[in-house]
Amino acid sequence: GAVVSQHPSWVICKSGTSVKIECRSLDFQATTMFWYRQFPKQSLMLMATSNEGSKATYEQGVEKDKFLINHASLTLSTLTVTSAHPEDSSFYICSARLAVGSYNEQFFGPGTRLTVL
Amino acid sequence: SQKIEQNSEALNIQEGKTATLTCNYTNYSPAYLQWYRQDPGRGPVFLLLIRENEKEKRKERLKVTFDTTLKQSLFHITASQPADSATYLCAPSGRGGATNKLIFGTGTLLAVQP
Repeated sequence: GAVVSQHPSWVICKSGTSVKIECRSLDFQATTMFWYRQFPKQSLMLMATSNEGSKATYEQGVEKDKFLINHASLTLSTLTVTSAHPEDSSFYICSARLAVGSYNEQFFGPGTRLTVL
Repeated sequence: SQKIEQNSEALNIQEGKTATLTCNYTNYSPAYLQWYRQDPGRGPVFLLLIRENEKEKRKERLKVTFDTTLKQSLFHITASQPADSATYLCAPSGRGGATNKLIFGTGTLLAVQP
């Protein structure tokens, strides 16, 4: 159980276009989902926390108008990279929180490799 | 600001030996700490969670310790196998609300030689 999927697994786009990445919890409902970005040989950097039915909370330094997050249902959150540029090329990973008492365990998707030309 | 440090150098060990990975944190008092494994080009996979009132946690060949005085967690893999080769990430976290988010360490690359 606790499977999280992402789509697409990789995408190549031209500079200036927008790209949407989907994150789905397949066998559980996730009230909270998280979006991370990971550059080569670096750790995961949290971009934003997405709560179903409300606005996402962005980490300091992350542009909310550039990285649009929508969490319309308990099983789906989307991240849209608007007007993508080469510096946005990265590995984007989502996770969904599975509450265990007052602590939480996160299950991660397989990631989406974005390459902006 | 919160800082989480893991062995920056890759850890190379021989198959069958015990691998020990270190996670140190500063300016932080996490209620629990999680360890994840990440393979190249893949998302992290949850391994173990240890709470602040637990000194040690075991799961098969894995053992995690949590010393809140030293602000350190150690992650051990006994009888290591080449299949254990991966990057291991530690992630301290708080109790709830806005502190539910995970902040990951830099990760340690483990290479188990056959």
